[in-house]
Amino acid sequence: SQKIEQNSEALNIQEGKTATLTCNYTNYSPAYLQWYRQDPGRGPVFLLLIRENEKEKRKERLKVTFDTTLKQSLFHITASQPADSATYLCALDMGDSSYKLIFGSGTRLLVRP
Amino acid sequence: DAMVIQNPRYQVTQFGKPVTLSCSQTLNHNVMYWYQQKSSQAPKLLFHYYDKDFNNEADTPDNFQSRRPNTSFCFLDIRSPGLGDAAMYLCATSRGGGTGRNEQYFGPGTRLTVT
Repeated sequence: SQKIEQNSEALNIQEGKTATLTCNYTNYSPAYLQWYRQDPGRGPVFLLLIRENEKEKRKERLKVTFDTTLKQSLFHITASQPADSATYLCALDMGDSSYKLIFGSGTRLLVRP
Repeated sequence: DAMVIQNPRYQVTQFGKPVTLSCSQTLNHNVMYWYQQKSSQAPKLLFHYYDKDFNNEADTPDNFQSRRPNTSFCFLDIRSPGLGDAAMYLCATSRGGGTGRNEQYFGPGTRLTVT
């Protein structure tokens, strides 16, 4: 079955630096890969989606890359701010009629002022 | 604002006492999902509806049931909660249909405590 790996250790960075989070998956590549932000005690919030035939997607300070050869997606936050501190989840969307996502367990990001 | 609403936000129930969690949406989305999330873990899909079509995950215990009486509302029933069912329960929706994006919109969650 499909497995997703996100670094379980928190990423601790200084304000203003670029945060880079990794999402690796096994087996077959999804049609889409999505990234969500989750704050403590809240539901996830959709951030970005990238298709399998796209190498890179940007939205404001966010950038996502998708490498189907490496079976990996990288999520970047440039000019990070303390308000960016949260857990970031990646999710695989196989693009089939099941409409299901397979979520990773997320990586916690801490941005120090 | 269009949104996904969950009630209650916090629920305490006794071991073995049935409990119902509710979810409503104003997005008019076709698909509604229920997830269970424990601390530092991935959201685990329990089941989902496409319109009235119910789709159960193979590893969802029989203790968990769901109802979707109309487009807007969906309920999660836990017939005999055990201590292991203590978790955050998340409801989500997505547009469904056609091809392309399938991003999900989540409610704030219900934190269930079993005593």
